[in-house]
Amino acid sequence: EAQVTQNPRYLITVTGKKLTVTCSQNMNHEYMSWYRQDPGLGLRQIYYSMNVEVTDKGDVPEGYKVSRKEKRNFPLILESPSPNQTSLYFCASSSLLSLSYNEQFFGPGTRLTVL
Amino acid sequence: RKEVEQDPGPFNVPEGATVAFNCTYSNSASQSFFWYRQDCRKEPKLLMSVYSSGNEDGRFTAQLNRASQYISLLIRDSKLSDSATYLCVVSPGPRYSSASKIIFGSGTRLSIRP
Repeated sequence: EAQVTQNPRYLITVTGKKLTVTCSQNMNHEYMSWYRQDPGLGLRQIYYSMNVEVTDKGDVPEGYKVSRKEKRNFPLILESPSPNQTSLYFCASSSLLSLSYNEQFFGPGTRLTVL
Repeated sequence: RKEVEQDPGPFNVPEGATVAFNCTYSNSASQSFFWYRQDCRKEPKLLMSVYSSGNEDGRFTAQLNRASQYISLLIRDSKLSDSATYLCVVSPGPRYSSASKIIFGSGTRLSIRP
């Protein structure tokens, strides 16, 4: 089954404790992206990647890191989480094969609480 | 001003009604437009793309007005299952440009009552 998986789905942590949220897709997509969703603010892009070893900042990259060492994986790293990073996080992927925009497929989301 | 703005709603309409909502965007160079649907606490899923000529998919019609910089979504004969949040999505750059940022509106909540 074609899908995007994220782990963990729920995480409660404390300020300053490094964490990683994993994202993996099995559709051989080139494009992957991380978003956070907050009430009233909608989905905001954190980082995106056009292909392996190619990453770029989205609208709200501060406090986050990403890496794209393999095509299928795009982990999100919070080196020193703070309470303002409490949010619902989505990973998404899409193909870049056609010249027009392709549908983004989203993972199920990770609900992160930083105390 | 937000790059993509939507009326947050909620729109509360009876089953069978026709409902429409708009989304405005600020970047006149925007090139791609979409509507996504998001059910409560779930991931967004593509509902439909929006083309200059307008497009229709069953009960759903999407239109783009470049002159006024807005896109619209019309739902006819609404069903209970249409209750969800509808997200407007705008992509400002060409497909392979380095500016492949994708901007989501904050969503319009729709609730269909029996």
